[in-house]
Amino acid sequence: TQLLEQSPQFLSIQEGENLTVYCNSSSVFSSLQWYRQEPGEGPVLLVTVVTGGEVKKLKRLTFQFGDARKDSSLHITAAQPGDTGLYLCAGANYGGSQGNLIFGKGTKLSVKP
Amino acid sequence: ETGVTQTPRHLVMGMTNKKSLKCEQHLGHNAMYWYKQSAKKPLELMFVYNFKEQTENNSVPSRFSPECPNSSHLFLHLHTLQPEDSALYLCASSPSWGRGLPLHFGNGTRLTVT
Repeated sequence: TQLLEQSPQFLSIQEGENLTVYCNSSSVFSSLQWYRQEPGEGPVLLVTVVTGGEVKKLKRLTFQFGDARKDSSLHITAAQPGDTGLYLCAGANYGGSQGNLIFGKGTKLSVKP
Repeated sequence: ETGVTQTPRHLVMGMTNKKSLKCEQHLGHNAMYWYKQSAKKPLELMFVYNFKEQTENNSVPSRFSPECPNSSHLFLHLHTLQPEDSALYLCASSPSWGRGLPLHFGNGTRLTVT
């Protein structure tokens, strides 16, 4: 059974600080997705990373896919209160009978003004 | 415009009630999903429909019964639920199933079973 471990589970920081959250697995994934879920809403896709070693930037958010495609990180620069939410990673494997995404438990981020 | 609309947003029901959750997507997608989100657990996939055919049923108890009349609509019929079924139920869609395509989620139904 493939599992994705996210850390830390909770993170509370002040506005302006930098942070990194992690998504780790012992399994290889074809691609990995990051979602953000704000309170009272459903998860929204932030990015998909596909190639080992790939780095993608989305404004103040930087996503990296590990060289071996077993792990990923999300770095936020100068966090803002609007970044508050639950960050979920989800791994995908293409082909075969396993067509579904495997989700981690998420990192709950709180950014205080 | 979320693209995926779920109703109701909140639902409180007794253990003997029967209720239904509704999901509608306006994205032209062919795959629709029901997920359960509980505290301290990963999102749990319950059911998948691809081109109106059920492709996944992840050992979900029979008190949950899905229905997919067409590619745009998905229902989850609930009866004789247990308190541990209280959770956020999320509907999602994607262009198709089986290729790890990103999901578009609705805002969920917060279900409380008393």
